[in-house]
Amino acid sequence: DAKTTQPPSMDCAEGRAANLPCNHSTISGNEYVYWYRQIHSQGPQYIIHGLKNNETNEMASLIITEDRKSSTLILPHATLRDTAVYYCIVNRDIQGAQKLVFGQGTRLTINP
Amino acid sequence: DSGVTQTPKHLITATGQRVTLRCSPRSGDLSVYWYQQSLDQGLQFLIQYYNGEERAKGNILERFSAQQFPDLHSELNLSSLELGDSALYFCASSVAKKANTGELFFGEGSRLTVL
Repeated sequence: DAKTTQPPSMDCAEGRAANLPCNHSTISGNEYVYWYRQIHSQGPQYIIHGLKNNETNEMASLIITEDRKSSTLILPHATLRDTAVYYCIVNRDIQGAQKLVFGQGTRLTINP
Repeated sequence: DSGVTQTPKHLITATGQRVTLRCSPRSGDLSVYWYQQSLDQGLQFLIQYYNGEERAKGNILERFSAQQFPDLHSELNLSSLELGDSALYFCASSVAKKANTGELFFGEGSRLTVL
C-alpha cells in the first residue's frame, strides 16, 4: 500500500477552517484515500474517504488533487472537540482483505 | 458509541501469562479487525476476519492468535506475555467484505498492562 506523509503537528484557531495536508505520491489507481481521527486514547473514528472526486459529509471535506498524489482534509469550522490525531491512509481492496495501515498522523490542536 | 464492544477495558497481568480479549462487533457487521497501539509503535494492524474466516494478516506475533466465532464475536489470545506487549488493543468492525465500500467502527479498546 502507498505510504503517506503528514506534518507531525498543526495548530488552528477555534472557529477557523483546519486544513490538514497529506502526500501520497505513490498512490495507485485503485487505492482510496481514507481519513480517521483519534481523540486522546479513544478508538479511531472514521471521517471520510474518496477515490478521485472531492467528497463532503457532515464532518469534513476531502480535496484530492487531480494527479491524486496529495489530498487535504478540511474541517470547516474547527471546535475544541476537534483536537485529535488525524490519520491519512491509502488503501485498496485485495479480494475483500483490508488492512488499513495507520502512520504517525498529524496532531491537530484547536486553540480557543 | 460505535456499537463495538470490547472487554475487558483494563487488564493487568504478569509476564509469561496468557490473556483473552473479546470483541463484539456492531450488529450485522461481518468483518472484525484487531489493532495494537503502543506508545512507540502507533496503531498496528494485526488481523482481519470475515464471517469466521481469516482474511488478512498484519504484524501479528506467533504468540498471538485470534478467531471469529459463528455468532461473529471475536477473541484475541495473547500468550507468553512480555513487557512489550503492554498496549491498547482495538477491535473494529465493518459490514462489508469489500474494503472500500464502508468505514471501520472501532471499539474503545482494551488496555493491557504486563508487569
